[in-house]
Amino acid sequence: DQQVKQNSPSLSVQEGRISILNCDYTNSMFDYFLWYKKYPAEGPTFLISISSIKDKNEDGRFTVFLNKSAKHLSLHIVPSQPGDSAVYFCAASDWGTSGTYKYIFGTGTRLKVLA
Amino acid sequence: KAGVTQTPRYLIKTRGQQVTLSCSPISGHRSVSWYQQTPGQGLQFLFEYFSETQRNKGNFPGRFSGRQFSNSRSEMNVSTLELGDSALYLCASSLDWAGGPREQYFGPGTRLTVT
Repeated sequence: DQQVKQNSPSLSVQEGRISILNCDYTNSMFDYFLWYKKYPAEGPTFLISISSIKDKNEDGRFTVFLNKSAKHLSLHIVPSQPGDSAVYFCAASDWGTSGTYKYIFGTGTRLKVLA
Repeated sequence: KAGVTQTPRYLIKTRGQQVTLSCSPISGHRSVSWYQQTPGQGLQFLFEYFSETQRNKGNFPGRFSGRQFSNSRSEMNVSTLELGDSALYLCASSLDWAGGPREQYFGPGTRLTVT
């Protein structure tokens, strides 16, 4: 049972344009969401997070939107740069219920930014 | 501040053998989690340790076990290796405080190949 889904395995975007990566979840107890970026042969790197009490969080070129009613979150990267080419994972946690670090990850979306 | 370190980085084992992987968290981080990454499956949560106690566990067979030491360093062990255990094993550490969840910082991973 995949509780966190990233339905697009890959995405190509022109440099300077917006990249939008999507993530859907099924567990309504999830209350904390994160996005990670992963380069080959490296561990995932934290990008941005959002708590379920918010619907938007922004950090530089990265913005995460949360739609709780649709159980959907998205990551916007503006403007996209070639260095953003990587695999992006969304993750979710039911911290408020469990109080532990059990993050459920999606299967990832490979972003390719074309110069 | 030094990041999360994992040893060894690469390992080749034979079916039926056992293996121990090691993880040193970021200084001051007391929560350590382990994940298995295989192609197409994303990151699957194995277990989380905090203050030498297993605080949460994923859906993996009992062949997968772990422990945490008083200095927060952690080890995971896989006994009776199977071909399907070939994967990238990632360790992540996090600051744990009562104020809420925090992001996890990942190590580079240990690439285990079972032949």
